[in-house]
Amino acid sequence: GDSVTQMEGPVTLSEEAFLTINCTYTATGYPSLFWYVQYPGEGLQLLLKATKADDKGSNKGFEATYRKETTSFHLEKGSVQVSDSAVYFCALSDDTDKLIFGTGTRLQVFP
Amino acid sequence: NAGVTQTPKFRVLKTGQSMTLLCAQDMNHEYMYWYRQDPGMGLRLIHYSVGEGTTAKGEVPDGYNVSRLKKQNFLLGLESAAPSQTSVYFCASSPGHLSGGYGYTFGSGTRLTVV
Repeated sequence: GDSVTQMEGPVTLSEEAFLTINCTYTATGYPSLFWYVQYPGEGLQLLLKATKADDKGSNKGFEATYRKETTSFHLEKGSVQVSDSAVYFCALSDDTDKLIFGTGTRLQVFP
Repeated sequence: NAGVTQTPKFRVLKTGQSMTLLCAQDMNHEYMYWYRQDPGMGLRLIHYSVGEGTTAKGEVPDGYNVSRLKKQNFLLGLESAAPSQTSVYFCASSPGHLSGGYGYTFGSGTRLTVV
């Protein structure tokens, strides 16, 4: 079945460092891809999305490009802030209109 | 503010007790979902609904029941709680086909502890 694999965390960075969180997927069809962010004690919030190959989703300085040839949707940010500390989830939509989530990657940013 | 509201936010149950978690959305979304979140396991789908009066099983449905009598509400029931059901429960909704890139809107979660 369809699945999402994320890099294990935690990812620990200093403020203003470059961030990459890897996400790869397995899918039989042509899924839409999503990144969600969960701040402590809160629910998940949609961060960005891409609906077809080569699309780039972007929001709040974060970017991810839908790469069909490598089945990847890696999350990047050029300069992280302490306020970016959270858990990040990669997800794909399967052909029955449900989201399949990765296990999440915790990001910790220190001043 | 429009969105998804979950009640209660916290609950402690004794083994064998029953309870109902309520999810309400005011965005006129067709689809609603219940997930549980456990450390190291991400989010796992319990049950979902694609419209008023419909329900379907997800990945981990055992020990739970759901109902969607009104479009805006999606109830999750535990008939006889077990310690293995200790988790954080999230409700989500979406307007329709995810292939359109709509994504989900999540509630803030219910932290349930079964002792």
